[in-house]
Amino acid sequence: EAGVAQSPRYKIIEKRQSVAFWCNPISGHATLYWYQQILGQGPKLLIQFQNNGVVDDSQLPKDRFSAERLKGVDSTLKIQPAKLEDSAVYLCASSLPTGTTEAFFGQGTRLTVV
Amino acid sequence: GQNIDQPTEMTATEGAIVQINCTYQTSGFNGLFWYQQHAGEAPTFLSYNVLDGLEEKGRFSSFLSRSKGYSYLLLKELQMKDSASYLCAVNTGFQKLVFGTGTRLLVSP
Repeated sequence: EAGVAQSPRYKIIEKRQSVAFWCNPISGHATLYWYQQILGQGPKLLIQFQNNGVVDDSQLPKDRFSAERLKGVDSTLKIQPAKLEDSAVYLCASSLPTGTTEAFFGQGTRLTVV
Repeated sequence: GQNIDQPTEMTATEGAIVQINCTYQTSGFNGLFWYQQHAGEAPTFLSYNVLDGLEEKGRFSSFLSRSKGYSYLLLKELQMKDSASYLCAVNTGFQKLVFGTGTRLLVSP
C-alpha cells in the first residue's frame, strides 16, 4: 500500500515570496491534515479536511496561508507572502474517517525562509 | 484551549526501562495516540488508548487514566534505535488530532 506522498521535500525561499506544497493521501482516506512542525516542537495542526470540506482551520493564519482539497483527494497548502517564522517542516497526514484509527504521515516538506 | 504536556528530554541506558509521561487538558477526548519520530523523519504510530488501562505491544506499553488526564508510554529493553522523539496526541473529537510538545529520548550504551 502506497503511503502519503508529499512534494517537494525541501524548499528555500526568500521572505515575502510565495510557496506551495502538495500532498497525496493514502487511497480511501477521507480525513487529511496539514501540520506545521517547528524544530524541537510537536506538530501544530493547521487545517483538517474531511473529504473536500474543512473540519477545523482555527490555527491557520488565514492572512497568509491557504489550503484546498479539490475532489476530496489531493491537497495543496500555500503560503503567500512567507515570513521568516514560517521556517518549519510541513507534514501532511491522512486517516480513515473513524476516531480509532491512526493517522499516517508523509515525509514532510522542510521549508527554509531566508 | 488544549494543553498537552510532556517532559522535553529524557536519557536512559541501553537495556533499561523508561516511562514517558503525558498529561492533557482538552476540550474533548476521543482517544490518545503515541507516535515515534526519528530525527528528520515522519511520525509513526505506536499505540492507541481510549479506555482506562494498559495496552501492551511487544516492548512498548501505553497506559491511560481518563479521570486524571494522564497517560504514559513504557519502553522496555531499550535499544539504541529507540533514540527518537515520542509524541503524545489526543483526538479531541471529530478526529481532530492535537499533539503535545514531544519528548526527546536519548539512549546511551
